[in-house]
Amino acid sequence: GESVGLHLPTLSVQEGDNSIINCAYSNSASDYFIWYKQESGKGPQFIIDIRSNMDKRQGQRVTVLLNKTVKHLSLQIAATQPGDSAVYFCAETEVAGGTSYGKLTFGQGTILTVHP
Amino acid sequence: EAGVVQSPRYKIIEKKQPVAFWCNPISGHNTLYWYLQNLGQGPELLIRYENEEAVDDSQLPKDRFSAERLKGVDSTLKIQPAELGDSAVYLCASSLDHEQFFGPGTRLTVL
Repeated sequence: GESVGLHLPTLSVQEGDNSIINCAYSNSASDYFIWYKQESGKGPQFIIDIRSNMDKRQGQRVTVLLNKTVKHLSLQIAATQPGDSAVYFCAETEVAGGTSYGKLTFGQGTILTVHP
Repeated sequence: EAGVVQSPRYKIIEKKQPVAFWCNPISGHNTLYWYLQNLGQGPELLIRYENEEAVDDSQLPKDRFSAERLKGVDSTLKIQPAELGDSAVYLCASSLDHEQFFGPGTRLTVL
């Protein structure tokens, strides 16, 4: 019979390696871009965000790069650890006004597997 | 500090039955969101509340879905009647400013 798979992009790395997860976005009017980590059975967890007027932002072990020319976003994780294994989603939004993000549009996730 | 609380965590119902999900946001968070997440996909916004006001419900299928946040704190999302295609994880999130904090979700299975 026909089988249905997840068809999510996957990235497999060794512990200690650097990981790069890529995302293409569609809305050139988006103001904020956010990366989320989602572990099995849990909701997405905020990692880092970047405003559209920036092209790079660094956090603890993570760096987000934004290329508005080609509408591309990437997440770099330094010294990847087994605990980083999860599905990673990028999201974009136009600021709704006030202090909230408004509607987040999530991209397709990437499954990161870190081998000890 | 407690995170976003959702209940139940799992729900199995037969099609055409009603179902309700409950969300308690992080204390002090004025903005509350309900998302639907299908297997292998990112969450999709159903409705966003600012306090007790639904400010964006454009993606909520209003023929069968309803939501309320009567006192601007807890929220309930209801489906009546449920269809097979409603099987998914229903996520609640809350925010005080830009960062959205997600609950663990309710996994709904419609048989």
